[in-house]
Order: sequence, then C-alpha cells, then structure tokens
Amino acid sequence: KNQVEQSPQSLIILEGKNCTLQCNYTVSPFSNLRWYKQDTGRGPVSLTIMTFSENTKSNGRYTATLDADTKQSSLHITASQLSDSASYICVVSANSGGSNYKLTFGKGTLLTVNP
Amino acid sequence: DARVTQTPRHKVTEMGQEVTMRCQPILGHNTVFWYRQTMMQGLELLAYFRNRAPLDDSGMPKDRFSAEMPDATLATLKIQPSEPRDSAVYFCASGFLIPRGTNEKLFFGSGTQLSVL
Repeated sequence: KNQVEQSPQSLIILEGKNCTLQCNYTVSPFSNLRWYKQDTGRGPVSLTIMTFSENTKSNGRYTATLDADTKQSSLHITASQLSDSASYICVVSANSGGSNYKLTFGKGTLLTVNP
Repeated sequence: DARVTQTPRHKVTEMGQEVTMRCQPILGHNTVFWYRQTMMQGLELLAYFRNRAPLDDSGMPKDRFSAEMPDATLATLKIQPSEPRDSAVYFCASGFLIPRGTNEKLFFGSGTQLSVL
C-alpha cells in the first residue's frame, strides 16, 4: 500500500531559527515528490517538485532533499519568518502512464513560528 | 494570476440535504481533482477527470457522492443525502498533466468548508 509518513506532527520554533521536516514514503512506481505549504483556511501551494534524478531543490528559504534509495525527503527552512507558520505536506506521485495518476499525501507537519 | 475558484467557501446544512460544490479550474488545464481534507485523514482523493472524462472515482462513496464536469470551465461535486460524517474541507485542484509526466504543478482552490448538522 502506498504511504507517506511525515515527522514531526507539529513543531514550534522561534523566528529566525532554522528547521527541518521529514518525509518517508513507500510509493511505487515513484514519479516525483512534492512539498506543499498550506496556510490556515487556504488550499495547498506547491513549494518544490523533485523527480527521481534530483536530490535537492531550493525555492527561496526552502530547500528540499530527496534520497530515492532510502525513500526519504526533507524540507529545510532557513531563517524562519512568522509567515512560515503553516502546515507542510509531503506528496508522492506514482505515475505509471496512461490514465493512472496517483498522488499519496502525508498528513502534514504543522509549523508554528513564534516571535 | 490564474487560479482555481471554488464556491461556496462555507456551507452549513442539515443532514439529509443535497449539497453542491462548484469548481472553476484554470483555463487550459486538462486534469481536475476533487479532494477531501479532515484532521484525521489528511487529504484524500475523491475523483479526478482528464479532458472532462472521469478517470478515477474510487475514493468516493458512490451511493451519495457524484462528480461531473459539464464543461471545461466547471466541475461539480454533489452529496445527496448529506451526513454529519461528510463534514470536511473539499478541495478542487487542476493541472496540465501528461502520461508519464514528472514535473507538472497542481493548483488548488481555497476549498469549501462543509458542515453537516
């Protein structure tokens, strides 16, 4: 069964600090891994997308890493800001071609950045 | 900026009533998804369409849920009759997806918060 596990479930940090969120997955056949940011009351917004051959991708202060061998990914946030407070969702895509397009979502890590 | 538009943003209804949620995908996108989000389960796929054709609705309770795309600018999700356990946030997402594509972005609407009393 395809699964995506995220840790920690929630995290509280002080503004300006760095943090790292983890994602482990068992999804086959692997196509890509995405990190989304979801603000309260809004839909998820894409931060990064990584394919099998990519092991790191950055988007401003967000850097995602992917180890396809161990099926692990991390999202590192540098110099956190209050606006980083949100849920961060790891999503793994299985795409075997044709009409089959499956996304498996993690349950997210709720990040709170305090002043 | 192009965006996915969902209506209504909030809906409160009584058990047994019909609920219709609407979604306007981004113009030119060929794939539309319906998801449900709860605290316990996170985001779950209900159904998706490619070029308006339903491809997968295995995540939907068939006896009460139905999803349609009457045209390229409108996707609907109906619940009839609604039950308290249907209370959740329902998201629509769209993207231009190709078979074996690896890098396509999905764009989510702001969701419909549904409460069934």
